[in-house]
Amino acid sequence: DIQMTQSPASLSASVGDRVTITCQASQDISNDLNWYQQRPGKAPRLLIYDATNLETGVPSRFSGGGSGTDFSFTISSLQPEDIATYYCQQFGDLPLTFGGGTKVEIK
Amino acid sequence: QAPLQESGPGLVKPSETLSLTCAVSGGSVSSGFYYWSWIRQSAGKGLEWIGRVSTSGSTNYSPSLKSRVTISLDTSKNEFSLKLRSVTAADTAMYFCALEGRHDAFDFWGQGIMVTVSS
Repeated sequence: DIQMTQSPASLSASVGDRVTITCQASQDISNDLNWYQQRPGKAPRLLIYDATNLETGVPSRFSGGGSGTDFSFTISSLQPEDIATYYCQQFGDLPLTFGGGTKVEIK
Repeated sequence: QAPLQESGPGLVKPSETLSLTCAVSGGSVSSGFYYWSWIRQSAGKGLEWIGRVSTSGSTNYSPSLKSRVTISLDTSKNEFSLKLRSVTAADTAMYFCALEGRHDAFDFWGQGIMVTVSS
């Protein structure tokens, strides 16, 4: 199985701050990576697909980067509604696997 | 667009079979070239992919659950289902159904159903 290591596990930042989350794959997955947002009590929501592409309707303050084994997810200006847990997910090989998640809180 | 809705018992006894259904509306479970997946999330934990069925009926399963899992389509009811046999307390989780669609990503999710394994 491809292991996805996300960091940090949690972070606290102020409204307007730039926030970056990293995700490392245990083997090369090219750009076969997606990012999801999960608000408390809700199902996950797709934000970024193929490492860098913004899903339709997702605010442009969200962005993704990277390829191979190292990936990043950035919120350019943190908003109160961005309080959630964020997950990366690889589809380079089966079984599909997720990172452990990063919980984002407002300072 | 294909809204998804999970249904099934919220309580299952140890050693029995967990059976869930995901009803699909707004599209056909057998059209296009997509996958219908089941994903679970234990309390306070991350997301675990259980497996998937394609619109043509082929399946893939997580190796850790493969011996106990069956996912299948019911085209007459426009739904797909999950059966997880010989459950234990470790199978207690929120279970989500999801569509792996246009971008090899989980584009649409059900709201989730909480299943507790307990006698």
